[in-house]
Amino acid sequence: DTAVSQTPKYLVTQMGNDKSIKCEQNLGHDTMYWYKQDSKKFLKIMFSYNNKELIINETVPNRFSPKSPDKAHLNLHINSLELGDSAVYFCASSEAGDLFYEQYFGPGTRLTVT
Amino acid sequence: DQQVKQNSPSLSVQEGRISILNCDYTNSMFDYFLWYKKYPAEGPTFLISISSIKDKNEDGRFTVFLNKSAKHLSLHIVPSQPGDSAVYFCAAREGAQKLVFGQGTRLTINP
Repeated sequence: DTAVSQTPKYLVTQMGNDKSIKCEQNLGHDTMYWYKQDSKKFLKIMFSYNNKELIINETVPNRFSPKSPDKAHLNLHINSLELGDSAVYFCASSEAGDLFYEQYFGPGTRLTVT
Repeated sequence: DQQVKQNSPSLSVQEGRISILNCDYTNSMFDYFLWYKKYPAEGPTFLISISSIKDKNEDGRFTVFLNKSAKHLSLHIVPSQPGDSAVYFCAAREGAQKLVFGQGTRLTINP
């Protein structure tokens, strides 16, 4: 029973294309996140949504647009893909609030832009 | 400017011995520190955490130590087992559930 799922797992596309990555969590969490793991292996937060509201928006090109149709889903749409967008993208979720809550990660989507 | 750093990209330890993974940070505002474990083709899974007001937290074979004056934390795994072979990420919380991750250390446990 998958807690945080992402589709697709692999995505190969050409520069200039527009693509989306979908994320769903069945944990009942209010907060969802997108992370990017770059070539240097750092995991960096891109966005976080709390109950469909944007909470964290790091310095990310506006070609990246998250969309949260409901609190169980947070999709990532990328316009005009560039070579530098090649990375592994992880979705995560957690409970909301000021207390510490662990984040649960999806399996990742490996995006390759050629 | 990386606020969380894991300076050892890899570590090899014999089965049964202690594994010690290290992490340094620069931001004194971090209030929680975490370790995540990641197997290939899977997402990171939470392992253990420690609040900034503590200096040690233990969970079975895993112990995390925090030295705030040195801005350093470490994860001890004892005894190390083959299933512990994975990439370990150190992370720190910077408010509102925002985590800042290090670049990971690949741990290999040799039989």
